[in-house]
Amino acid sequence: DAGITQSPRHKVTETGTPVTLRCHQTENHRYMYWYRQDPGHGLRLIHYSYGVKDTDKGEVSDGYSVSRSKTEDFLLTLESATSSQTSVYFCAISVGRGRDEQYFGPGTRLTVT
Amino acid sequence: DQQVKQNSPSLSVQEGRISILNCDYTNSMFDYFLWYKKYPAEGPTFLISISSIKDKNEDGRFTVFLNKSAKHLSLHIVPSQPGDSAVYFCATTGGFKTIFGAGTRLFVKA
Repeated sequence: DAGITQSPRHKVTETGTPVTLRCHQTENHRYMYWYRQDPGHGLRLIHYSYGVKDTDKGEVSDGYSVSRSKTEDFLLTLESATSSQTSVYFCAISVGRGRDEQYFGPGTRLTVT
Repeated sequence: DQQVKQNSPSLSVQEGRISILNCDYTNSMFDYFLWYKKYPAEGPTFLISISSIKDKNEDGRFTVFLNKSAKHLSLHIVPSQPGDSAVYFCATTGGFKTIFGAGTRLFVKA
């Protein structure tokens, strides 16, 4: 158990509203990631962080921003939610940056109506 | 353009038999591969990995085979158990980024 929690676990929101998802880890790992999972696409990387205030874009970053002001928290924000952002969002951590496996949180199911 | 492809969306196997899940990749520079397992309403969990310097890695009932010339890897589960019913993702990683396949849903029938 890598001590990763996500909140909220479920959320329904309307198009155009801002949404923030939170990922919290208890073990002070340096590397954190946000993915979305959609049918037919597997998991796709949105943003990642390699330290406090150090973040970078993944393959599907448009419409998303992130912040990491503390080692243990990685926030994902949808500035203005769209229906195409309806998805299941997973946070993950890894111990190292190279060939290490990732440990995932339980996910947040987001529905944008 | 998917760099990691799992062409079978689903697979059904009888309990006790072998399950074989396949994965193809496009870039010969990829040199480390992983398999993750995912149950409904949970996050994926790491299952097994293999480096390109090997062609086989085994962990209990799970074995991953790598064929570099064909750019193909497979996960063998022997014997399959009902608790193995899940979605399996293959992935490759290098640096910060891990690329996942779309997943194969395995059904193991009792």
